[in-house]
Amino acid sequence: SAVISQKPSRDICQRGTSLTIQCQVDSQVTMMFWYRQQPGQSLTLIATANQGSEATYESGFVIDKFPISRPNLTFSTLTVSNMSPEDSSIYLCSANRVGEQYFGPGTRLTVT
Amino acid sequence: AQKVTQAQTEISVVEKEDVTLDCVYETRDTTYYLFWYKQPPSGELVFLIRRNSFDEQNEISGRYSWNFQKSTSSFNFTITASQVVDSAVYFCALSEAGRGSNFGNEKLTFGTGTRLTIIP
Repeated sequence: SAVISQKPSRDICQRGTSLTIQCQVDSQVTMMFWYRQQPGQSLTLIATANQGSEATYESGFVIDKFPISRPNLTFSTLTVSNMSPEDSSIYLCSANRVGEQYFGPGTRLTVT
Repeated sequence: AQKVTQAQTEISVVEKEDVTLDCVYETRDTTYYLFWYKQPPSGELVFLIRRNSFDEQNEISGRYSWNFQKSTSSFNFTITASQVVDSAVYFCALSEAGRGSNFGNEKLTFGTGTRLTIIP
């Protein structure tokens, strides 16, 4: 299985600020994915991050709010910008290994 | 558009009972993949199984088994002799088969999850 780590594991932030979440994979992968899981809800894909190109955002998510970087084949960051309480969620990154998609442990974000 | 339905929001069973979690999917693709994940209270997502649309054989792994039926677009998950450690939220997910440069890098569409509680 792929080993995926995320930093920070949790954070409490004030509204209006931004938080950058880091995701590290233990081997090179072509694509990485960022998901959001709002409290008590399922997972929703935010965007797909391909190394060397702009991230592809799903409907309802925009780059100004969730800028993503993908500087190399093992690392990606997601920034949650200008946060509001509605952004309180778990943010998870994932990557595929031999067709099996693995997830990081998630970042629990609380916005006050 | 793809869709995954997990009609059972919550299930509670007494330890050692068998329990089946239902998953119904919709897709227009002829090639696709189905997944099950476990999310224990700690929050991490644990990969359980991936199935491609051309393989309808049932799968068994220890106390876990999966029944894939294309005729009813279902991919149900059964836990035999349940244990307290099985208590978690279980998600079924679907992805279309990637093509070309996207092969093996498919994004997932998740169901809403089933919260399973095993009562000691």
